[in-house]
Amino acid sequence: DAGVIQSPRHEVTEMGQEVTLRCKPISGHNSLFWYRQTMMRGLELLIYFNNNVPIDDSGMPEDRFSAKMPNASFSTLKIQPSEPRDSAVYFCASSRGTSGKGEQFFGPGTRLTVL
Amino acid sequence: DAKTTQPPSMDCAEGRAANLPCNHSTISGNEYVYWYRQIHSQGPQYIIHGLKNNETNEMASLIITEDRKSSTLILPHATLRDTAVYYCIVRVTMNRDDKIIFGKGTRLHILP
Repeated sequence: DAGVIQSPRHEVTEMGQEVTLRCKPISGHNSLFWYRQTMMRGLELLIYFNNNVPIDDSGMPEDRFSAKMPNASFSTLKIQPSEPRDSAVYFCASSRGTSGKGEQFFGPGTRLTVL
Repeated sequence: DAKTTQPPSMDCAEGRAANLPCNHSTISGNEYVYWYRQIHSQGPQYIIHGLKNNETNEMASLIITEDRKSSTLILPHATLRDTAVYYCIVRVTMNRDDKIIFGKGTRLHILP
């Protein structure tokens, strides 16, 4: 299994531009999580899905952030418009949900820099 | 999720056992103790979890006190590759709400 796949691995953009981060979870996993990590705030949960349905988006910082999961094998996290304070590493993770032991598998992350 | 308290950093000599403590005095009866680690520039990696019995796998051992208010992660023979931030987390599993809330963790330095 290839593990959780994220793209792009690095993204540099200018303030005001739209940014789309992509994630392919491990096949057969039914829960998907988006995290953000910065030096100041550590690792924060932004949103998570169960069976493609958003369960908890209380960590989404503001309306500029949106996430979708149109099917079991793909999710996007969009920032529009982007701001310099959005610069961070964004991780996607997946798990088998309640049918597993609660182990989350993380992708390699997308390092976002907003100039 | 219950809060956990971990020392911010620890050192351990290569080849020795690394013992990482975690306090979780407000843990509920149905909450598990999970440990993850994050090696620099990588995503967090699951290590082990337990409810009340001690657990061991190929990576580590988890010792949970009888009152479940604290636990210790043991890496039996630490190597330089074990240098990472280790997160202790308590959470409910077997539940639709299976999110993880990460704290600051312990930065473990393995010294050659």
